[in-house]
Amino acid sequence: SQTIHQWPATLVQPVGSPLSLECTVEGTSNPNLYWYRQAAGRGLQLLFYSVGIGQISSEVPQNLSASRPQDRQFILSSKKLLLSDSGFYLCARGEFFTDTQYFGPGTRLTVL
Amino acid sequence: AQTVTQSQPEMSVQEAETVTLSCTYDTSESDYYLFWYKQPPSRQMILVIRQEAYKQQNATENRFSVNFQKAAKSFSLKISDSQLGDAAMYFCACYGGATNKLIFGTGTLLAVQP
Repeated sequence: SQTIHQWPATLVQPVGSPLSLECTVEGTSNPNLYWYRQAAGRGLQLLFYSVGIGQISSEVPQNLSASRPQDRQFILSSKKLLLSDSGFYLCARGEFFTDTQYFGPGTRLTVL
Repeated sequence: AQTVTQSQPEMSVQEAETVTLSCTYDTSESDYYLFWYKQPPSRQMILVIRQEAYKQQNATENRFSVNFQKAAKSFSLKISDSQLGDAAMYFCACYGGATNKLIFGTGTLLAVQP
């Protein structure tokens, strides 16, 4: 099994509060991991990707950051949330030999 | 840079009929892959079909098939014998091997009429 878990499933946070979203992957070693954001009615925007522990590439720096403390764990963080951070956050893993990305169930974030 | 364009924001099909969703893309990479993903109301992204750009043969997965026209940079998805469960948002995406990035189109919302 190469299941992707995301926690929490739903989150409502006030503006200016911190954020921590977690993604964990089962079954595969050293996967490429990705964070995407999807605004309502829009396509997916790549935020960060990681090819290994401690290795993070940022596509949209803004007020978000990502970390990969363990091989199968990818965390999305913010020190102070903005209204514009509301959206649906998806974690994905890349399959090495086929370059195919598989997605987790997502986290719905609402910033009020 | 890669771009993916889906020109049909919404489509509708009768149950058991066939529908084709359009997608065009642009990439400077010689090594790339094309995908269609389905996003039902649960919002989880589900892989529908994958096409390697170096393969001329069109990919097929059960009722889903693609028409890959490399020279025209076109990658359409055909759904045969449409079912109510096919109703969802469909995203076309392009992955560049050199950039390690998956770029998505804006999606086509497919409704299936009983």
